[in-house]
Amino acid sequence: QSALTQPASVSGSPGQSITISCTGTSSDVGRHNRVSWYQQHPGKAPKFMIYEVSKRPSGVSNRFSGSKSGNTASLTISGLQPEDEADYYCCSYAGSPYVFGTGTKVTVL
Amino acid sequence: QVQLVQSGAEVKEPGASVKVSCKTSGYTFTNYYMHWVRQAPGQGLEWMGIINPSRGNTNYVQKVQGRVAMTRDTSTSTVYMELSSLRSEDTAVYYCAREPIDTFYFDYWGQGTLVTVSS
Repeated sequence: QSALTQPASVSGSPGQSITISCTGTSSDVGRHNRVSWYQQHPGKAPKFMIYEVSKRPSGVSNRFSGSKSGNTASLTISGLQPEDEADYYCCSYAGSPYVFGTGTKVTVL
Repeated sequence: QVQLVQSGAEVKEPGASVKVSCKTSGYTFTNYYMHWVRQAPGQGLEWMGIINPSRGNTNYVQKVQGRVAMTRDTSTSTVYMELSSLRSEDTAVYYCAREPIDTFYFDYWGQGTLVTVSS
C-alpha cells in the first residue's frame, strides 16, 4: 500500500486561506469516508484535527475544514494564524493497513 | 483526563530487540483500540499495527510482520510494542495512538519514544 500523496509544502500569509490536498486511490480515499487529518508541530506528537473527511472533534477551531472529491481529500485552513505553522498528515483506512499521507509543511509567511 | 504515557528513549544495537510501553489512564482501557505509528527522522508517519486491548487480538503491517509483537496488560492498562531483529532503518520515534472502536481515526497520542538502532 503506497503512501497518500500530499504537496511537500504550502504557504500563506496571516488571514489567508490555504488548502492541502491528499490524493489516494479508489482502494483507500475514494472507497469510503474514513479519512482523517493530523497536525504535528516540531518535536511533538500528532494532534487529531478532522475525522470522516469533514467532521471536527470538539476543541478544534472551525477555521479547519475538510472535504473530498473522488480519490482526493482536502484540508482547508481559513484565517491562517502563526500557530498553524506545522506539518499536516492525512490518513485513510484501506481495509488494513492504515495509510498516511506524505505530509505537508505549512509555512505562515 | 485521557493520558497515554510512553516509556523512555532506547539505544539498541542491530539485531537486538526493544520493548516500548504505553501506559493509559482516564478512560476504560478495553473500550478503545490501540495503534502503533512510527516516524523515522525527518520522515512521515507510518502505521505499524493495532491491538484490541479487550481480546488481545492484533493486526500488523506486512513490512514488520514476523518482527513485531503488540501485547497488553489489562491489570495496568498498558500496551506494549516489541520489535525484534532491529535494523538501522528501524530508528524512529514510536507513538501509541488510541482509536475509539471502529471509528478509524486516532484521537489521543502518546508523547513518543525515540528508538535508535546503532552499533
